Amino acid sequence: AQSVAQPEDQVNVAEGNPLTVKCTYSVSGNPYLFWYVQYPNRGLQFLLKYITGDNLVKGSYGFEAEFNKSQTSFHLKKPSALVSDSALYFCAVKKGSSNTGKLIFGQGTTLQVKP
Amino acid sequence: DVKVTQSSRYLVKRTGEKVFLECVQDMDHENMFWYRQDPGLGLRLIYFSYDVKMKEKGDIPEGYSVSREKKERFSLILESASTNQTSMYLCASSPRQGIQPQHFGDGTRLSIL
Repeated sequence: AQSVAQPEDQVNVAEGNPLTVKCTYSVSGNPYLFWYVQYPNRGLQFLLKYITGDNLVKGSYGFEAEFNKSQTSFHLKKPSALVSDSALYFCAVKKGSSNTGKLIFGQGTTLQVKP
Repeated sequence: DVKVTQSSRYLVKRTGEKVFLECVQDMDHENMFWYRQDPGLGLRLIYFSYDVKMKEKGDIPEGYSVSREKKERFSLILESASTNQTSMYLCASSPRQGIQPQHFGDGTRLSIL
């Protein structure tokens, strides 16, 4: 069965420091992976996706994610955190082989960036 | 830019009422989704539609139904609202072709009293 896990409920970093939000996945077949961000009282916003190719994927707002097939991970990273990056982050994996567009979401990780 | 609009940001209803949540998207997407979001549980899929009048149950369909009479509109119906359906409800859409992200509305925070 396909699944995605975010092992940390909350990540705390100081402004200006690098940040990492962790995600691991379990899929049969090729993994198609996504990161979303949710600000308070808003819907989810798409940040980036991995389909194939370069293991380092660049996305919106300076975020990037590193795909690691051997570790089945897709960690979200940013070289220098901003207070405005504080939000809830979701990792997701495409469900199944058919083209239904369905995703399985992780539980979410709250990122807190302190000044 | 894709716009997914949910008709209400906040909604308060009473136990036993029939509740309608509306969602409209403006990008001609074939796929539309309804999720509920609860703390610590992430997003759980309630129902999915891949075309007009077509629907599939998601992971937690009990107590809900959906309607998709037009391509742009996907409605979630709580047949007889109960307090355990108090939650944040999110609608999303995506195109059928390719591996594309879903685009989300801002959500409806529903309270059942």
